[in-house]
Amino acid sequence: AQSVAQPEDQVNVAEGNPLTVKCTYSVSGNPYLFWYVQYPNRGLQFLLKYITGDNLVKGSYGFEAEFNKSQTSFHLKKPSALVSDSALYFCAVPPTGGGNKLTFGTGTQLKVEL
Amino acid sequence: DVKVTQSSRYLVKRTGEKVFLECVQDMDHENMFWYRQDPGLGLRLIYFSYDVKMKEKGDIPEGYSVSREKKERFSLILESASTNQTSMYLCASGAREHYSNQPQHFGDGTRLSIL
Repeated sequence: AQSVAQPEDQVNVAEGNPLTVKCTYSVSGNPYLFWYVQYPNRGLQFLLKYITGDNLVKGSYGFEAEFNKSQTSFHLKKPSALVSDSALYFCAVPPTGGGNKLTFGTGTQLKVEL
Repeated sequence: DVKVTQSSRYLVKRTGEKVFLECVQDMDHENMFWYRQDPGLGLRLIYFSYDVKMKEKGDIPEGYSVSREKKERFSLILESASTNQTSMYLCASGAREHYSNQPQHFGDGTRLSIL
């Protein structure tokens, strides 16, 4: 079965510094991978997805993610963090063979401080 | 702009009550989902539906049922609410099943408290 893991429950970053939120995956075949963000008291919002092609995927709000097949990782990155980036971040993967029933990671709380 | 609307943001009910959570999407999506979100556990799928009147159990269906009489509306039912069903409930919709590279779209959630 497809799965993703987010090894960090919380990440703290100073505003202006680069941020990384980690995700590793376990899938058979070529993976589709997603990142979502959840701001307080809101639902999840789609940030970006990897399907195929370039290993660096650009998404909303200045975020990007790097797909690394040898390390089975899909880490979310931003060159310069903002306080407003503080939120809960989820990576997700769809099932083998198609369908958009996603399996989500447990989430990483990002806190950006002044 | 796409929209998934959940009928209540906050809901307080009593143990044993039958509880209905409603979700409507305006994107003509075939798939709709109900998740439960608890701290440290991420999102867990309760039920999903891939067409009108069609449903499949997710990972944690016990104590819940669903109804999809119209394409745009997907209801989650707690048959007899219990305190361990206190949680945040999220509804989502998505394009036809084989379009697995399409994202799901989420409502803002219903925070349900069972007293």
